[in-house]
Amino acid sequence: GEDVEQSLFLSVREGDSSVINCTYTDSSSTYLYWYKQEPGAGLQLLTYIFSNMDMKQDQRLTVLLNKKDKHLSLRIADTQTGDSAIYFCAEAYRGPRISGGYNKLIFGAGTRLAVHP
Amino acid sequence: GAGVSQTPSNKVTEKGKYVELRCDPISGHTALYWYRQSLGQGPEFLIYFQGTGAADDSGLPNDRFFAVRPEGSVSTLKIQRTERGDSAVYLCASSLLGGTTDTQYFGPGTRLTVL
Repeated sequence: GEDVEQSLFLSVREGDSSVINCTYTDSSSTYLYWYKQEPGAGLQLLTYIFSNMDMKQDQRLTVLLNKKDKHLSLRIADTQTGDSAIYFCAEAYRGPRISGGYNKLIFGAGTRLAVHP
Repeated sequence: GAGVSQTPSNKVTEKGKYVELRCDPISGHTALYWYRQSLGQGPEFLIYFQGTGAADDSGLPNDRFFAVRPEGSVSTLKIQRTERGDSAVYLCASSLLGGTTDTQYFGPGTRLTVL
């Protein structure tokens, strides 16, 4: 079955790097995502990585994928107070009776990132 | 352009009542998704529409939950005989094509509280 696990809480000092980790179970997942959720706001897509990539960099964000260990991480460089939020890892999954692609996201429980001065 | 919108933003109801939650997807998006997010958890998939049809409803927890999308745009999630355990934030998302890995854009959610 599908399952995505994350550590629940991370606290960092402003200006430091943050690393949020995630493990997933479906080895056939083609796309893996990171979403950000701030209080009262919807889920915002931060970045994603295709399974044939090991790393993807997008400004302050770096995603690392270890397919062998089914481990995904998100590194935020120079973390700011505005980065305080809940970060969700998600894998694309194909439901029953679906062909030709993925139709749903399986989310982890989220990692709450707290940034302090 | 406008994003995904959901109404109402908050809904308080009593146990046993019927509720409807509405989702307006991004214009032109053929795929629409409903998720449910309980406190302290990540969103859980409920149902996926491709156009007007429910292509995957495997996430609906039981037959008290039903969703429609009659014209392939707006969708309504309907919950009959609500229970306290139905209290959660119900999220709607849409994507351009669906059935692929195109980006799902989420709305702000409807917070349902069943007393």
